Amino acid sequence: QITLKESGPTLVKPTQTLTLTCTFSGFSLSSRGVGVGWIRQPPGKALEWLALIYWDDDTRYSPSLKNRLTTTKDTSKNQVVLTMTNMDPVDTATYFCARHGIVGAPGERLYAFDIWGQGTMVTVSS
Amino acid sequence: DIQMAQSPSSLSASVGDRLTITCRASQNISRYLNWYQQKPGKAPNLLIYAASSLQGGVPSRFSGSGSGTDFTLTISSLQPEDFATYYCQQSYSAPRTFGQGTKVEIK
Repeated sequence: QITLKESGPTLVKPTQTLTLTCTFSGFSLSSRGVGVGWIRQPPGKALEWLALIYWDDDTRYSPSLKNRLTTTKDTSKNQVVLTMTNMDPVDTATYFCARHGIVGAPGERLYAFDIWGQGTMVTVSS
Repeated sequence: DIQMAQSPSSLSASVGDRLTITCRASQNISRYLNWYQQKPGKAPNLLIYAASSLQGGVPSRFSGSGSGTDFTLTISSLQPEDFATYYCQQSYSAPRTFGQGTKVEIK
C-alpha cells in the first residue's frame, strides 16, 4: 500500500520560512521516473502546482514562486522536504504532497499525481 | 507556461444526468492530460490519465476524450457520490498546471 503524509507547522508568521515534510511508504524515490510533487489549495480555491522532485534529484518549480521554494529528498528516510521562504497571508492554504507516478506503459512518458497525502493546513498570520 | 481553462466553472445536475466538462490547453499537449476528482475536505483522486485511460478502481461511467488542446470529461449517469469538484491537469511540461476546477452540485 502506498501512502504519503505531510507534516509541519499549522501556523507561521509573516516573513517566516515554512518547512513541510512529506513522509511516504510503499514506493521508492530512487526508482527511475518516480517523483514527488507539492500542490497547494487556498481555502475555497483551486489547486496550484508548486514543485516536483524526481528520482534523480532533478527539480522543477512554479515560475511564480521559484525564488521562494526549495524541495529536497532523503531517500533513506523516504522523505521529501519543501521549504517556502518569506511567507505571506496569501500563502494560507492546504499543502499536499503527491506521488508523481508512471501511469502508462514504460516508454510512454505518461505521468500523473496518482497517490496523494491527506494535506496539511497552514495558516499565515501574525 | 501552459494555461488550462475549464468550463463551466460550476454546474447543477440531477442524479442520472449525463454531463460533460471541458478543458482547453493554451498549446498542444497531445494526450498528456489528467483528470482528478476532489470532494470537500479530501485530497484529489486521479480519475483519468493520458486523456482517456481510466485509472484502476474508477467506475466506467467516467470517460475522457480529446487530444491536442481540447479535452472532455464525461460522466454518463451521475451518481450521488459524483457531486464534487473536478480538475484537469497537463503533464506535458513543467509547471504541471491545473485547471481552475468545475464544481458539480446537486440540482
